[in-house]
Parts: sequence; C-alpha cells; structure tokens
Amino acid sequence: SQQGEEDPQALSIQEGENATMNCSYKTSINNLQWYRQNSGRGLVHLILIRSNEREKHSGRLRVTLDTSKKSSSLLITASRAADTASYFCATKESGSARQLTFGSGTQLTVLP
Amino acid sequence: EAGVAQSPRYKIIEKRQSVAFWCNPISGHATLYWYQQILGQGPKLLIQFQNNGVVDDSQLPKDRFSAERLKGVDSTLKIQPAKLEDSAVYLCASSFSGAGANVLTFGAGSRLTVL
Repeated sequence: SQQGEEDPQALSIQEGENATMNCSYKTSINNLQWYRQNSGRGLVHLILIRSNEREKHSGRLRVTLDTSKKSSSLLITASRAADTASYFCATKESGSARQLTFGSGTQLTVLP
Repeated sequence: EAGVAQSPRYKIIEKRQSVAFWCNPISGHATLYWYQQILGQGPKLLIQFQNNGVVDDSQLPKDRFSAERLKGVDSTLKIQPAKLEDSAVYLCASSFSGAGANVLTFGAGSRLTVL
C-alpha cells in the first residue's frame, strides 16, 4: 500500500522558476526522504529529514516537514532542464521494521 | 564504489512462463530490498532481507513470487507463473543495516513485459 501521496501528480515549469511538490502521509514516522527518478532509471536519494526537524537544505533543494499535518514539501529553486524527472517521497514508519514506503510521485517537467 | 547491479535489464515473456531477476548489492550493505514499480506508480516493497533473513515479505504474492538471498549477498527474485499484471519494473536496492535512518541505493531496474 502507498503511504504517501504527492501533489501535484504532474508539474510543468520554465527553466529558472521554482518547483514545489507536496507529500502527505498517514502514520507516525521516524524520517521522510525524497528521491528522484529519471526516465528508465533507478531512484536516487536526494535528502532526508528526521521527524524532529522542520526544515532542511541541500544545494537548490529545500525540504520542510510538518508532523502535525503529516505533510512535507520539496522546493527546487532555479530549476534546470536536467531537473526533469519524477520525484517521490518515502517514509520510515515509527516502530516498523520496514524501511521505506514510497508515495505515488510527482512528474516534473522543466522546459528550456 | 560500484553501484547496485541488476540483470537482465529487459525481459519479455508470455503469461504463465517463469522469469528470474538477479541483484548484487553494494559491498557491505546488509539490507537488500526488492520493489515492484508499475508504470505511473511509486515503488511497492515486495521483500526486505537483513543479511540472508527475511524482515518483511507481507506484500509479496507468495503463490507466484519467491526470493532468496542465500549467502547474504546476491539475491534472486523469481516469478512463476507470470500474469499480465506482473508487467512492471523490478527494482533492487540496498542499504547499511542498524538503527536510525537508512538511505537506499537503487539499481537501474529490470523491466518485465508479460504478453
């Protein structure tokens, strides 16, 4: 079963603009991670935020986490055509041996 | 550092036939995962190994799917007999074990088409 739901399902922006993707989940978590998947490839880890953190930055990426609302957002600033990919949130449920449950993903297209 | 190796990259079979996928994780990674990713969806965990023991296989359709990791390194995922709805990409991933957060490293995947 999918734990997270990303919103929007698809997003199309111009190069240089910012892209924001949202993720909602259902259970208590230890951490939330974001992964990127280029077409026909495996997933690549982008960033991890723990349940006791509210915001984290990595390069052009900014992730926020609101555990009271069970939601997270991923912001990509100054987007590039190379950012075109699917983005997935994944959660590590508290008290579960299962490592990660993935959401349904947001397909981001950055137009040159 | 070598990544997670998977083979074959592509496989086309008829329904009711069998297929096997192989995965070699990153050296030193004790935890290995098989995910199924249907087109347009997120990956769904099929089975998670810690060394050669199964941690979670609750979403593995055990009537047709099987997986093993005999020596705690390589793993094989088998489907027999295949159904049309098994058409998907089968992703292998690995991570360090232990408490705390674990980041997964994925292979490129094996794309299965069942006709």
